Amino acid sequence: KQEVTQIPAALSVPEGENLVLNCSFTDSAIYNLQWFRQDPGKGLTSLLLIQSSQREQTSGRLNASLDKSSGRSTLYIAASQPGDSATYLCAVHNYGQNFVFGPGTRLSVLP
Amino acid sequence: DAGVIQSPRHEVTEMGQEVTLRCKPISGHDYLFWYRQTMMRGLELLIYFNNNVPIDDSGMPEDRFSAKMPNASFSTLKIQPSEPRDSAVYFCASSPAGPNYGYTFGSGTRLTVV
Repeated sequence: KQEVTQIPAALSVPEGENLVLNCSFTDSAIYNLQWFRQDPGKGLTSLLLIQSSQREQTSGRLNASLDKSSGRSTLYIAASQPGDSATYLCAVHNYGQNFVFGPGTRLSVLP
Repeated sequence: DAGVIQSPRHEVTEMGQEVTLRCKPISGHDYLFWYRQTMMRGLELLIYFNNNVPIDDSGMPEDRFSAKMPNASFSTLKIQPSEPRDSAVYFCASSPAGPNYGYTFGSGTRLTVV
């Protein structure tokens, strides 16, 4: 059974810093991995979807990497802004299964 | 496109009452998913449909929960009778072709059972 963990559980950084969020999964036979953002009291917004054949995806200040062999993905946020404050979740999709979500990392970017 | 639309946004009900949550997926999306989110358990998949047919309901916690998708543009999740431990945020998500293409989530329904 796939298990997804995210470290750290919470992170607080000053504005302008570059930061990395980590996602680990136990079963490396994944089909794809998706990063989401969730604002307090809101739904999930898809940020990046990485297929198993890809090593990374980029969207603006966000860059997500995938290393299947080690069971890891990272979400890199460049030049963080207070508006980036949210909970970030990764979700892993194995063949024949649906997405399994991690518990999330709660990010606070201080002005 | 208006995205995935859920209603109501908030629901407060008394224990024992029937609760119905509603979802309109994105037009053309063949897959629809119901998730529940709590602080303790995170996001849990309850059930998902493909072309209006329930495919996997193994996540439905007990017989008090039921879900239907009478057509491609509408789904309901019903809890009868509701209990305080059902209090959570319930999300609906849709996908054009399953997890291969990622999901789009609705804004959720926050359910409080008192």
